[in-house]
Amino acid sequence: DTEVTQTPKHLVMGMTNKKSLKCEQHMGHRAMYWYKQKAKKPPELMFVYSYEKLSINESVPSRFSPECPNSSLLNLHLHALQPEDSALYLCASSQDGGRQFFGPGTRLTVL
Amino acid sequence: GQQLNQSPQSMFIQEGEDVSMNCTSSSIFNTWLWYKQDPGEGPVLLIALYKAGELTSNGRLTAQFGITRKDSFLNISASIPSDVGIYFCAGPDNYGQNFVFGPGTRLSVLP
Repeated sequence: DTEVTQTPKHLVMGMTNKKSLKCEQHMGHRAMYWYKQKAKKPPELMFVYSYEKLSINESVPSRFSPECPNSSLLNLHLHALQPEDSALYLCASSQDGGRQFFGPGTRLTVL
Repeated sequence: GQQLNQSPQSMFIQEGEDVSMNCTSSSIFNTWLWYKQDPGEGPVLLIALYKAGELTSNGRLTAQFGITRKDSFLNISASIPSDVGIYFCAGPDNYGQNFVFGPGTRLSVLP
C-alpha cells in the first residue's frame, strides 16, 4: 500500500475561520511533510516531521500550525488565513528521506 | 540552497512521438526522482535513481542518472494523450534536510 490520503479534498474558508487539514499514511514511513503549491509552480516545503518531531519549519507564518499526533497522522491547523494562502496543500511521506509519496492534496480557497 | 533547473519549460508534441526532457543542477545530487502531476492532483512518483550512470525504465518511461551527478533526463516513448501533465525532477538536498523540486516541464500531447 503506497497510499497517502488527505481530507478534505476541497476547503473554502473565511479569514476569521479555524480549520484543519488531515493526512494519513499506513506505510510505516518515519517522515511526513506538508507542502504548499501555487498554480504553475512546484511544491514548496512548509514542514517536516521526523519520528513525530518537527525537524524543519521553512519560516512558515504562525497562522499555519502543524501537528503530528502519531506516526501515521499529520494535521495542519489553519487560523486567520489570508487570500494569498489559497493554494493546493500537499502531504507526503517518506521512509528514508529519499522517495516521497504524495497525497492527492487539499484545494484551499480563502475568501 | 541547492536548485534544480528543467528544460524545456513546456513542449507540444504529436501523439506517438517520443519525448525527452532534462534536469540539471550546479551541485551534486545523490538521488534523482521524477514525478508527474495532473491538474489538481498530487505528484506521482515515476522513477527513482540512486547511482551515477543508472538507467531505469518504467513502461514507456526511461530515466538516467548523469555520470557527473549534476543532471538527469527522462524519456517517454510513443506518447499518448494521458501523458499530458507537468513533469518534475526532485531530490533530497545533500544535508538530508530539504527536498528540492525543479520548476517542471509542462507536456501537451496533440491528437
